[in-house]
Amino acid sequence: AQSVTQPDIHITVSEGASLELRCNYSYGATPYLFWYVQSPGQGLQLLLKYFSGDTLVQGIKGFEAEFKRSQSSFNLRKPSVHWSDAAEYFCAVGYSGGGADGLTFGKGTHLIIQP
Amino acid sequence: NAGVMQNPRHLVRRRGQEARLRCSPMKGHSHVYWYRQLPEEGLKFMVYLQKENIIDESGMPKERFSAEFPKEGPSILRIQQVVRGDSAAYFCASSNAQGSYNEQFFGPGTRLTVL
Repeated sequence: AQSVTQPDIHITVSEGASLELRCNYSYGATPYLFWYVQSPGQGLQLLLKYFSGDTLVQGIKGFEAEFKRSQSSFNLRKPSVHWSDAAEYFCAVGYSGGGADGLTFGKGTHLIIQP
Repeated sequence: NAGVMQNPRHLVRRRGQEARLRCSPMKGHSHVYWYRQLPEEGLKFMVYLQKENIIDESGMPKERFSAEFPKEGPSILRIQQVVRGDSAAYFCASSNAQGSYNEQFFGPGTRLTVL
């Protein structure tokens, strides 16, 4: 069964500093990988996704993520965070083998931005 | 183009009552997913439906929970005889085709509180 691990429950970053959120997955084949952001009381918004091809993917709001097969990782990065980036971030895996279509989510990383 | 709509946004029920959560997918989408988010947890897949069909209910509790997506009208997630452990945020997502590589668009969620 596939699983997603986000090892950092909370991360605090100063405004303007760089950010990296970690995500590791367990899956037998090449996964479909996603990063979502959730603001308080809101639904999830897709930041970016990886299916195949270039392992460095660009998303919205200045975010990017890199797929590293050897490390089973898909870490999210941003060179300079803004106060509005404070939110909950979820990494998710989709099943590429046909059949199940629901996504498997990590537990999330709560991002706090210090002024 | 309206996004995924969910209502009610907040629902309070006493133990033993029924809860009905509604989801209207994005225009043109005929694939609906339901997820549950417990406090401090990521989203857990419950069920995947297409119009008039349940495709995958592997994440749905075996008792008290049911889902439907009729030919006309919204998708309904029904919880009978609610218990305190059902308190959670329930999110609906929709997509325009089958396959987890198709982007799932999330609604704002229904927050269920069981007293």
